[in-house]
Amino acid sequence: AQTVTQSQPEMSVQEAETVTLSCTYDTSESDYYLFWYKQPPSRQMILVIRQEAYKQQNATENRFSVNFQKAAKSFSLKISDSQLGDAAMYFCAYTPGANNLFFGTGTRLTVIP
Amino acid sequence: GAVVSQHPSWVICKSGTSVKIECRSLDFQATTMFWYRQFPKQSLMLMATSNEGSKATYEQGVEKDKFLINHASLTLSTLTVTSAHPEDSSFYICSAPKRRGETQYFGPGTRLLVL
Repeated sequence: AQTVTQSQPEMSVQEAETVTLSCTYDTSESDYYLFWYKQPPSRQMILVIRQEAYKQQNATENRFSVNFQKAAKSFSLKISDSQLGDAAMYFCAYTPGANNLFFGTGTRLTVIP
Repeated sequence: GAVVSQHPSWVICKSGTSVKIECRSLDFQATTMFWYRQFPKQSLMLMATSNEGSKATYEQGVEKDKFLINHASLTLSTLTVTSAHPEDSSFYICSAPKRRGETQYFGPGTRLLVL
């Protein structure tokens, strides 16, 4: 079975500080893709960052970076210099390549001014 | 980035009626589209995979006769909730990838309320 686990239902961070959101997954596939999506109150899903499992290098997108540990099946998201606009639900997601996404339960991030 | 639209964004209907939700890829062709359901404060659950020119693939526990999916063209998939009941009230989201493994582009969602 393919499962995605986010163990932190809620997190908070002070504005301008750094926060890390955790995600683990379970799969028997060797080739797959991992994503972090952001869902603000509008409920529009927005891609934050994407990682290909065959790449050892951790993906980065401006203030967002991941720590991808393939052997441990861990995929955490680090947000640096947190901004008020980062407040949202964050979902970790996995696909084995057929593009059907399996989502974690989400982490609600609050940014404190 | 690619754009996916959904229509309607909000619908209220009476119990027993059917509701059709459209999902369109506006600037790319999508042979595959996905339909998700999201309950308040919960995650997205994949309902089915919509395949252009063939039958949809439903996830375990999703009634295919209840949730009819038609992928009529390379830019349009529709989800019809038949004989809707209050427990069908939810937020329905579609998505489509441009290419295998690439990010999926999500529609803005449709809020369905069945009275």
